[in-house]
Amino acid sequence: KQEVTQIPAALSVPEGENLVLNCSFTDSAIYNLQWFRQDPGKGLTSLLLIQSSQREQTSGRLNASLDKSSGRSTLYIAASQPGDSATYLCAVVTGGTSYGKLTFGQGTILTVHP
Amino acid sequence: GAVVSQHPSRVICKSGTSVKIECRSLDFQATTMFWYRQFPKQSLMLMATSNEGSKATYEQGVEKDKFLINHASLTLSTLTVTSAHPEDSSFYICSAHRLGRDNSPLHFGNGTRLTVT
Repeated sequence: KQEVTQIPAALSVPEGENLVLNCSFTDSAIYNLQWFRQDPGKGLTSLLLIQSSQREQTSGRLNASLDKSSGRSTLYIAASQPGDSATYLCAVVTGGTSYGKLTFGQGTILTVHP
Repeated sequence: GAVVSQHPSRVICKSGTSVKIECRSLDFQATTMFWYRQFPKQSLMLMATSNEGSKATYEQGVEKDKFLINHASLTLSTLTVTSAHPEDSSFYICSAHRLGRDNSPLHFGNGTRLTVT
């Protein structure tokens, strides 16, 4: 059974700092890994999708890496802003197709204060 | 970009009544939609996989007779919480996979906050 763990559970940083969120998964047979952002009481916004054959993806100030063999991914946020405050969720699709089950981590609650 | 619409965003109902939640893919076809529930300060737990034209696949521990799923078209899936009880109060979120785009991310609705009194 796939298990996804995110560390830390919560993070508070001053504006402008660079930060790293960590995600680990127990079953390395993943199809892809996705990072999401969730604002309070809202649905999920997809930030980055990394296929199992890829090592990293970048979008603006966000960079996500994937080390499938060790079961780890990191989300790097550069020059953090108060608007980045949200819960960040890591999720993996396990199995050979994109229609496999999506297993979520517990999330990291990020607060960026001015 | 792809949009998934979920309705209603909030619903309050009395214990014993049924509530229907709709999930629509607005600008793409989705043969597969997923339903999740999220308890406060917890992550999303997959409840069931909804397949157009066939029966939904439920995760272990999810009662199929309590959470009825109907995926009648390529753009609409519904989740009906039957005979709701206070313990069913939760945040329900759907997601849809764009047909024919295996490498695309899942798109999520904005969720439905269900409160059963």
